[in-house]
Amino acid sequence: SAVISQKPSRDICQRGTSLTIQCQVDSQVTMMFWYRQQPGQSLTLIATANQGSEATYESGFVIDKFPISRPNLTFSTLTVSNMSPEDSSIYLCSVWTGPGRRNSHEQFFGPGTRLTVL
Amino acid sequence: AQKVTQAQTEISVVEKEDVTLDCVYETRDTTYYLFWYKQPPSGELVFLIRRNSFDEQNEISGRYSWNFQKSTSSFNFTITASQVVDSAVYFCALSEGTTSGTYKYIFGTGTRLKVLA
Repeated sequence: SAVISQKPSRDICQRGTSLTIQCQVDSQVTMMFWYRQQPGQSLTLIATANQGSEATYESGFVIDKFPISRPNLTFSTLTVSNMSPEDSSIYLCSVWTGPGRRNSHEQFFGPGTRLTVL
Repeated sequence: AQKVTQAQTEISVVEKEDVTLDCVYETRDTTYYLFWYKQPPSGELVFLIRRNSFDEQNEISGRYSWNFQKSTSSFNFTITASQVVDSAVYFCALSEGTTSGTYKYIFGTGTRLKVLA
């Protein structure tokens, strides 16, 4: 398994500002993902954070709004830019430890960052 | 197209009742995994079970049991003798391979379970 921490755990931000969320894993992982969970909704994949290259974004999400960095195999950041109240959500980081391991299909999730935009 | 359907938006039961949460999936892959996660009010996702597409054996873990049926593309979750602490949102998810050789999760919309004392 992997132990994942996220910072901040929650924040309240003003419209038009940006927030960067950090995700730290206790071991090197193959893939890191960022999800959004809007209030009362399911989880939606924002993007896959690729180490050493640009993130791969899902339909409906763009780099200008959600820039992602992944400088190494244990760390990633997601920035929510120019925020509006519609960005109020829980943002979750998850990791996939890669093929060849017992839990090869399993993703491990961080505790989430609860963001409120006023 | 890949899809996970949890038709039950919210279920309320009285403590000690049994409850079944339904999950129906669609996939073109022959190799895939199915998962159930619990999300209590605190927000974290708690892993409950993983089942691969080649293993149709039902599984029991304490008060939890899972019924996987490929013929109906269903992966239902039953809680026996429910307790108040079982109150949470439960998500079913499907994991498939991608063209880049990794795996991608597709989540259902979740079922909110309320267990009343």
